Amino acid sequence: DVKVTQSSRYLVKRTGEKVFLECVQDMDHENMFWYRQDPGLGLRLIYFSYDVKMKEKGDIPEGYSVSREKKERFSLILESASTNQTSMYLCASERNRGTYEQYFGPGTRLTVT
Amino acid sequence: RKEVEQDPGPFNVPEGATVAFNCTYSNSASQSFFWYRQDCRKEPKLLMSVYSSGNEDGRFTAQLNRASQYISLLIRDSKLSDSATYLCVVSMSWGNNRLAFGKGNQVVVIP
Repeated sequence: DVKVTQSSRYLVKRTGEKVFLECVQDMDHENMFWYRQDPGLGLRLIYFSYDVKMKEKGDIPEGYSVSREKKERFSLILESASTNQTSMYLCASERNRGTYEQYFGPGTRLTVT
Repeated sequence: RKEVEQDPGPFNVPEGATVAFNCTYSNSASQSFFWYRQDCRKEPKLLMSVYSSGNEDGRFTAQLNRASQYISLLIRDSKLSDSATYLCVVSMSWGNNRLAFGKGNQVVVIP
């Protein structure tokens, strides 16, 4: 079974802090994604990556950056956390382009106070 | 127009009954369609792909109507364990071939 793990289930940070969310997948998948999910808004794509050291912006990249130094690891960085970044963050991986079957991690519920 | 639209519900379904819901998508060139299931406070998981000819997996049947740009999911003989949010997911054929997720149909199966 594909396993996608995220570094924290719950996280509380203060406004202005730099926040790192880590995601690791163990199935040698090419593609990785970061989404946030908010009530009434559904899943929105923040950033994604099709290869190591490669990244592409999704629909809502403002205030976020990402890093993919190794194939299995995809990090989401909030440079200066703000209260409107309080959300559920979901990481997903996908074998390669065109397969579309995405496997999600358990999510990180981030609260910014 | 939103890429994928769903009626959020909730759909309150007596146990053993049949429930069906649709979602509409805006991109007529989309090629791949899916239903994902998301339990409360859990991550989404792929339920089934949706093929042009329609497909069935046990009590679940998915249909695609390209002319009207909608897909449907039907659940027969509903079980309590079917209570979840069902996300309609469509591939975008332009740009980066990413997926667009609907907000979900919430199903509550009542004993």
